[in-house]
Amino acid sequence: QQQVKQSPQSLIVQKGGISIINCAYENTAFDYFPWYQQFPGKGPALLIAIRPDVSEKKEGRFTISFNKSAKQFSLHIMDSQPGDSATYFCAASDLLTGNQFYFGTGTSLTVIP
Amino acid sequence: GAGVSQSPRYKVAKRGQDVALRCDPISGHVSLFWYQQALGQGPEFLTYFQNEAQLDKSGLPSDRFFAERPEGSVSTLKIQRTQQEDSAVYLCASSPAGEGGTQYFGPGTRLLVL
Repeated sequence: QQQVKQSPQSLIVQKGGISIINCAYENTAFDYFPWYQQFPGKGPALLIAIRPDVSEKKEGRFTISFNKSAKQFSLHIMDSQPGDSATYFCAASDLLTGNQFYFGTGTSLTVIP
Repeated sequence: GAGVSQSPRYKVAKRGQDVALRCDPISGHVSLFWYQQALGQGPEFLTYFQNEAQLDKSGLPSDRFFAERPEGSVSTLKIQRTQQEDSAVYLCASSPAGEGGTQYFGPGTRLLVL
């Protein structure tokens, strides 16, 4: 059973546009929600993370929006650039009972120049 | 500073062979994780160490999979009698104490079982 559901599977955005990737979870014990960026042949790299006590976190062009009641969170990439073309994974973890991450299935983002 | 390193980066094994995959975590990181990433999928948890103690091995798919971290730093994931379905990228991640969950991933070992 997929603990974290991610959509869309793939996304094509024009340079300068906004990329939006959505994730949903069921386990209300989850208390840490990171986003990872992965380039081909590389390991995932942490992009930004949020805890459920805030509804939004922004770091540069990357913003996480978090809706605790809906059990949903999303990644917004503003002013998308060709260098942002990669696969993005959302994840969730219950840090109290164990540190394993439950990953979504990934979104392949292509930013067209 | 140096990140998480893994070796070998690529491994081709014949079905039935045993393989050993190595992970060198970031120096001083207390926690170490192994994940399996199938092609086109997100990483899936295999096992977790805190120092030398294996606290969770619930994700290991069978008793052919074994992990150890005897001195609380370097870890080895061993797969015995490899099967074709073991073909995947094996990712190692480490996490320091007190950083609230942040995991730093290595580049992975791509295992192909023929």
